[in-house]
Amino acid sequence: DSGVTQTPKHLITATGQRVTLRCSPRSGDLSVYWYQQSLDQGLQFLIHYYNGEERAKGNILERFSAQQFPDLHSELNLSSLELGDSALYFCASSVGGASNEQFFGPGTRLTVL
Amino acid sequence: KNEVEQSPQNLTAQEGEFITINCSYSVGISALHWLQQHPGGGIVSLFMLSSGKKKHGRLIATINIQEKHSSLHITASHPRDSAVYICAVRGGSEKLVFGKGTKLTVNP
Repeated sequence: DSGVTQTPKHLITATGQRVTLRCSPRSGDLSVYWYQQSLDQGLQFLIHYYNGEERAKGNILERFSAQQFPDLHSELNLSSLELGDSALYFCASSVGGASNEQFFGPGTRLTVL
Repeated sequence: KNEVEQSPQNLTAQEGEFITINCSYSVGISALHWLQQHPGGGIVSLFMLSSGKKKHGRLIATINIQEKHSSLHITASHPRDSAVYICAVRGGSEKLVFGKGTKLTVNP
């Protein structure tokens, strides 16, 4: 158990819908990272927040947004869902910035029908 | 061409064998990560290294910055080592770029 929690574990929804994925980092960790893992693309970095502020952005679609709250939990919002958004979404956390080891959550499996 | 290339894609070994998984990258990096992903999907960080060699139990990771190459070795492999091993590099930005993974199967 990494200490990083993600909810929900599974999510099944329809095209065009909007969902919110939630991540709670390990106690004391200030950074949260979001990753997408799809069958054809592998793991891809989406976005990094540090202590509430966006630090780096990767291949995150405009339909996706994220934020980190004062209690350091983070949410990833996915809207206007398409079939291709079906993937595993992982959150990871680290004590400081990206130079620190990252600890991964169990992931949320999103299925868009 | 991907920035991070792993080989082999798939690897089958017998219990007890010495395993080597390779990772080559094409950009300058500040750190390289080795991750393990179990069949259930969970990801565990095995190593983060920027130079030299690290060892943890039966796992050894090495990196050669000049050659832009890293290897992950597993000694005395065991069926519970069966997983996908993923190499990821961090360049000047804070983003991790991932290889496509090596699927390891260790048979008893």
